[in-house]
Amino acid sequence: GESVGLHLPTLSVQEGDNSIINCAYSNSASDYFIWYKQESGKGPQFIIDIRSNMDKRQGQRVTVLLNKTVKHLSLQIAATQPGDSAVYFCADFNQAGTALIFGKGTTLSVSS
Amino acid sequence: GAGVSQSPSNKVTEKGKDVELRCDPISGHTALYWYRQRLGQGLEFLIYFQGNSAPDKSGLPSDRFSAERTGESVSTLTIQRTQQEDSAVYLCASSPQGLPGELFFGEGSRLTVL
Repeated sequence: GESVGLHLPTLSVQEGDNSIINCAYSNSASDYFIWYKQESGKGPQFIIDIRSNMDKRQGQRVTVLLNKTVKHLSLQIAATQPGDSAVYFCADFNQAGTALIFGKGTTLSVSS
Repeated sequence: GAGVSQSPSNKVTEKGKDVELRCDPISGHTALYWYRQRLGQGLEFLIYFQGNSAPDKSGLPSDRFSAERTGESVSTLTIQRTQQEDSAVYLCASSPQGLPGELFFGEGSRLTVL
């Protein structure tokens, strides 16, 4: 079916460490994936996206890796900062290709 | 403003009452989405509008939920005969053309049904 989930509900890191947030998906036909960040009391904010014809895409301090063989993607945040503390969601298309289906999220806590 | 605007930001209502939530998308964005987010949960897709096409209502949880959009502008999500399980944050998002691509979210309308 179409479901997107994350391996861990919470992740705690020290400031300056690298963070890795994982996500597994079940829809093998998915060809587009996207990561969002949601700070407390706010709407989700776009971080980075990747199409299935790519294995890796880099942004500013973030990298998304896609492993289609095991239907897994990850978000890597370099030199994590307290401002990175938020809930991170991965998402992919629904079967109709009309909407994003979100996982439950990983809460990242960064301590100084 | 330049972003997606939602109102009210908070709404407390009694069980059985009807509520209307409003979304003003970013000007020029043809696609508009409504999502529901229960406390501590992910986003649950409700409905999608794209231009003048028929909306994708596949995510609406019951016939108590409905939404309208006037052209490519304002959208209203209506919940009739509210139940306690309707308590959630209702998020609206818009995008220039739809997927694939970034969805721009509003801050949400927090609904509490007593």
